[in-house]
Amino acid sequence: SQTIHQWPATLVQPVGSPLSLECTVEGTSNPNLYWYRQAAGRGLQLLFYSVGIGQISSEVPQNLSASRPQDRQFILSSKKLLLSDSGFYLCAWSYTGNTEAFFGQGTRLTVV
Amino acid sequence: QQQVKQSPQSLIVQKGGISIINCAYENTAFDYFPWYQQFPGKGPALLIAIRPDVSEKKEGRFTISFNKSAKQFSLHIMDSQPGDSATYFCAARDGGTASKLTFGTGTRLQVTL
Repeated sequence: SQTIHQWPATLVQPVGSPLSLECTVEGTSNPNLYWYRQAAGRGLQLLFYSVGIGQISSEVPQNLSASRPQDRQFILSSKKLLLSDSGFYLCAWSYTGNTEAFFGQGTRLTVV
Repeated sequence: QQQVKQSPQSLIVQKGGISIINCAYENTAFDYFPWYQQFPGKGPALLIAIRPDVSEKKEGRFTISFNKSAKQFSLHIMDSQPGDSATYFCAARDGGTASKLTFGTGTRLQVTL
């Protein structure tokens, strides 16, 4: 069966510090991968998606970047965090061309 | 701009009652409409989904009604239970290999005893 792992579950970082959130998927190959951010009252906002290794598409301009160094690994990064980067970050995957997305458990990021 | 509008923002229903959440979209290229359920501190999980060539889909106590001409769809939870208390998101998928989902803003449902 397929599983998605996302870590850490919670993170408190000072303004200006770097960020690295990791997501891995097991039990499937060549998945589509996604990073979403969830803010209160604003639903889930798609930040990045990837249809293959090294292929990253950005949905919104921001202080964050994403990378896919391996088929089932997706990383969300920042060189210098801003207060506005605080939120609940969710990684998700889907089969190529499929309709259902499977979400990880999320990372609660607080920038102080 | 692709948008999915969801209402109400919050909903309180008595146990045994019917919970109704509504969503509307504009992009006619959307080809799949899922509903996700999210409990506090957890990731969303697929609850039920529908394609635009179907007007209604029922799974247990959960029903999606879909009105293609009005570009609206809704989730009905029959015999609502306290365990249904969660945040519900509607979403819409655009066609293509990326399978991107656009989400509504969510509805926080509380089912009281």
